[in-house]
Amino acid sequence: QSVLTQPPSVSGAPGQRVTISCTGSSSNIGAGYDVHWYQLLPGTAPKLLIYANTNRPSGVPDRFSGSKSGTSASLAITGLQAEDEADYYCQSYDSSLSGSVFGGGTKLTVL
Amino acid sequence: EVQLVESGGGLVQPGGSLRLSCAASGFTFSSYWMSWVRQAPGKGLEWVANIKQDGSEKYYVDSVKGRFTISRDNAKNSLYLQMNSLRVEDTAVYYCARQISCSSTSCSNNNWFDPWGQGTLVTVSS
Repeated sequence: QSVLTQPPSVSGAPGQRVTISCTGSSSNIGAGYDVHWYQLLPGTAPKLLIYANTNRPSGVPDRFSGSKSGTSASLAITGLQAEDEADYYCQSYDSSLSGSVFGGGTKLTVL
Repeated sequence: EVQLVESGGGLVQPGGSLRLSCAASGFTFSSYWMSWVRQAPGKGLEWVANIKQDGSEKYYVDSVKGRFTISRDNAKNSLYLQMNSLRVEDTAVYYCARQISCSSTSCSNNNWFDPWGQGTLVTVSS
């Protein structure tokens, strides 16, 4: 059971927009800790997509965006492409556990 | 190019030990906190341990406290994870990752991980 809750799966057709939610509690996201997002493709190193809620590292397409409100955060992907099919994870910090915590991951399927 | 390369994974029996290594290149290793993160088969990511730049502070997830030890050698640009008393539930791909709290444009109130290594598989089975 992950500390941060994500939907197990989402799907969308090419060109569409999808969002992935990440729900926490008062000891992590609700306490004001930032949320970061990663993309995991099979056999490759995890890749940072969004840091500090809304910031994209250089090289990440602007089709990817992040937001945060209250005890939740979201990753939005617009103009879906086949190459976006991957697992996505949110990450934050939990003050009661005194360590970084991840969501359970969301598998994105491009139909 | 900033790069992290893990090694040392393999098959070990329950109760056994294994030492993972992570070789860093392309950045000033001694300037960063470093972490180990794992992913069990079919499961999500789990932060395991981290270590301060000079090795003076170390933190662990509860499930590995007393069994795993994180260390580093800044002269060799290397991070290590000594794993003792291994359990079947420690089976996972283990990634090393650099921790960052500030980019050139903004800072965060908690670290993110970038980059990550490709991972090394640890299998604990009899």
